[in-house]
Amino acid sequence: GAVVSQHPSRVICKSGTSVKIECRSLDFQATTMFWYRQFPKQSLMLMATSNEGSKATYEQGVEKDKFLINHASLTLSTLTVTSAHPEDSSFYICSARDPSVTDTQYFGPGTRLTVL
Amino acid sequence: DAKTTQPNSMESNEEEPVHLPCNHSTISGTDYIHWYRQLPSQGPEYVIHGLTSNVNNRMASLAIAEDRKSSTLILHRATLRDAAVYYCILRDLGGSQGNLIFGKGTKLSVKP
Repeated sequence: GAVVSQHPSRVICKSGTSVKIECRSLDFQATTMFWYRQFPKQSLMLMATSNEGSKATYEQGVEKDKFLINHASLTLSTLTVTSAHPEDSSFYICSARDPSVTDTQYFGPGTRLTVL
Repeated sequence: DAKTTQPNSMESNEEEPVHLPCNHSTISGTDYIHWYRQLPSQGPEYVIHGLTSNVNNRMASLAIAEDRKSSTLILHRATLRDAAVYYCILRDLGGSQGNLIFGKGTKLSVKP
């Protein structure tokens, strides 16, 4: 199946700093990518939908100024957590839909963010 | 997207078949039934999806009830590597965004 990568796999940062997470579709072009967040022992929560070349669509309750999403190319989307705080510590997972395969969405391996 | 209901957890013995149920009584005619699984500390992995007919692939089989109000994911021979949280998700064929909304899923434990 298609491969989606994320970088870094884990990051530890100090409170108040910004962290960028990259998501790449390695063998297909993804016009749409998605960002999820998962807290311990909970399910994935959709944060935003990212369309190449346009602004992201954020889910209710997700601050667009805090979680900056850029989808500059068909294979790369980035999520920047600005002024991170300990409550932002979570598992961030990106996903991309392969338009050549009917209705299938592939997920990255996730990025573990710890804010001290 | 319509809601699904799954048992919180299930147990299985290694090398035995596993049947993971999912109820989706409010499914619409254009909703696809998707199954994903998530191993600990990893992103979800696509397992299988279908619309009306039963589906088979190298990982699993998907049995869909005739009225489409329920479905069952079948792992033919469980291995220890199949221990994961399994999510049953409905997505509208006509949904332009393509996003998947996750419920709580079923945590499958496999005993050696």
